[in-house]
Amino acid sequence: GQNIDQPTEMTATEGAIVQINCTYQTSGFNGLFWYQQHAGEAPTFLSYNVLDGLEEKGRFSSFLSRSKGYSYLLLKELQMKDSASYLCASTDSNYQLIWGAGTKLIIKP
Amino acid sequence: TAGITQAPTSQILAAGRSMTLRCTQDMRHNAMYWYRQDLGLGLRLIHYSNTAGTTGKGEVPDGYSVSRANTDDFPLTLASAVPSQTSVYFCASSDSGSSSYNEQFFGPGTRLTVL
Repeated sequence: GQNIDQPTEMTATEGAIVQINCTYQTSGFNGLFWYQQHAGEAPTFLSYNVLDGLEEKGRFSSFLSRSKGYSYLLLKELQMKDSASYLCASTDSNYQLIWGAGTKLIIKP
Repeated sequence: TAGITQAPTSQILAAGRSMTLRCTQDMRHNAMYWYRQDLGLGLRLIHYSNTAGTTGKGEVPDGYSVSRANTDDFPLTLASAVPSQTSVYFCASSDSGSSSYNEQFFGPGTRLTVL
C-alpha cells in the first residue's frame, strides 16, 4: 500500500530551528514535495526533491534519502508566521501526489 | 493575478440534494484535480483530469462526478449529498499531470457541510 507518515504536531520556539520528518512508501517514486498550509487557507508549495541530498531555499531546506524513503523539512530562524501545517507528499508511479496528514507546527515566543 | 478560483466559499446543503462546486484556473494548466481534506487525514484525491476532455478517478471518487469541457473549468458535482461528504474541498492545477515535477497550485477551498 501507499503510506506517508509525519508527526501530528510539533512545538518550537521563535528564533530556533525545527526539523519535520516524513517517511514515505509509494508505488513508484517520482519526487517528494513539501507544502505549507496556514489554518483556513490553501496549501502553498515550499520545496521539491527528486535526487538525494539537501535543497536549500532561504530559511527553509529540504532533504531526501530515496534508499530510506525519508525526507525532512528544516526551518531555521523560526518566526511566528511559520506557525502552520506542513504537508509532505510523494509522487507515485502515476505522477499523482500521495499526501501525508500534515504536521501542525506551533511557534511559541 | 487570479490563479485558481473556487465557488462557493462555503455551503450548507441538505442531505439528498445535489450541488456543483465550481473551479476555474487562468494559468492554462493542462492538469486539474479535486481533493477533499478532513481533520487528521491527508488530502485525498477525488477525481483528476490530465487534459481537457479526459478525466480519471482518484482515491475516493464514489458519490462525485466531474467534467472537463475546456482547459479552464473543472466542476465537481455531488449528485445526492450525504453527511460523510462534509469536508473542505480544494481544487488544484498543474502544468502537467504526467511528469515527475507535478507542482500543484491550489484554490482557496470550499467548505461544505451536509446536514
